[in-house]
Amino acid sequence: DAKTTQPPSMDCAEGRAANLPCNHSTISGNEYVYWYRQIHSQGPQYIIHGLKNNETNEMASLIITEDRKSSTLILPHATLRDTAVYYCIVSGGYQKVTFGIGTKLQVIP
Amino acid sequence: DAGVIQSPRHEVTEMGQEVTLRCKPISGHDYLFWYRQTMMRGLELLIYFNNNVPIDDSGMPEDRFSAKMPNASFSTLKIQPSEPRDSAVYFCASTVTISGNTIYFGEGSWLTVV
Repeated sequence: DAKTTQPPSMDCAEGRAANLPCNHSTISGNEYVYWYRQIHSQGPQYIIHGLKNNETNEMASLIITEDRKSSTLILPHATLRDTAVYYCIVSGGYQKVTFGIGTKLQVIP
Repeated sequence: DAGVIQSPRHEVTEMGQEVTLRCKPISGHDYLFWYRQTMMRGLELLIYFNNNVPIDDSGMPEDRFSAKMPNASFSTLKIQPSEPRDSAVYFCASTVTISGNTIYFGEGSWLTVV
């Protein structure tokens, strides 16, 4: 699986959009970008994934650059409950899925 | 549908004792994963199964750790003998082939070895 790079931490004001970046410059053609988050003391939770088109669901939007070397997870209106560690993962399928350090997002009142 | 179910949620044991963690994956899921999470090392993949068969156990730290999946609805992770450095949160997760890597995690088993 391709390696990803994320900032270790970010702050976001409550009610504002949280934009979490991820670099995956070595991504290959059949690899998807997945985002998970882990709220303190809970198991990681799937958020969204995409291949090359932008994706949106009830939780977030995923913007993937045209060259697919980076992506951004957008939480449109961050709430205090969105405070968590966010993991960006690149994977081609049914291989072992490894999680990096992630980005610790702190939503500030 | 019930999610991934793990037991026990919390366990405190003495060094040298055997620890058995249990996991029931989501019904119909054919992949099962065991992860360990610590502050120092983050979330590490220990082993994963496909259709009850271990596929990759390269993350298992040493021979004291073993995992089994006797059937599609049950898996165990055993530590014998346990050591204080095994203290961590152990997560079980499962997925189904057609969903790729959309993995569903349990709530974790919090292990403390004293």
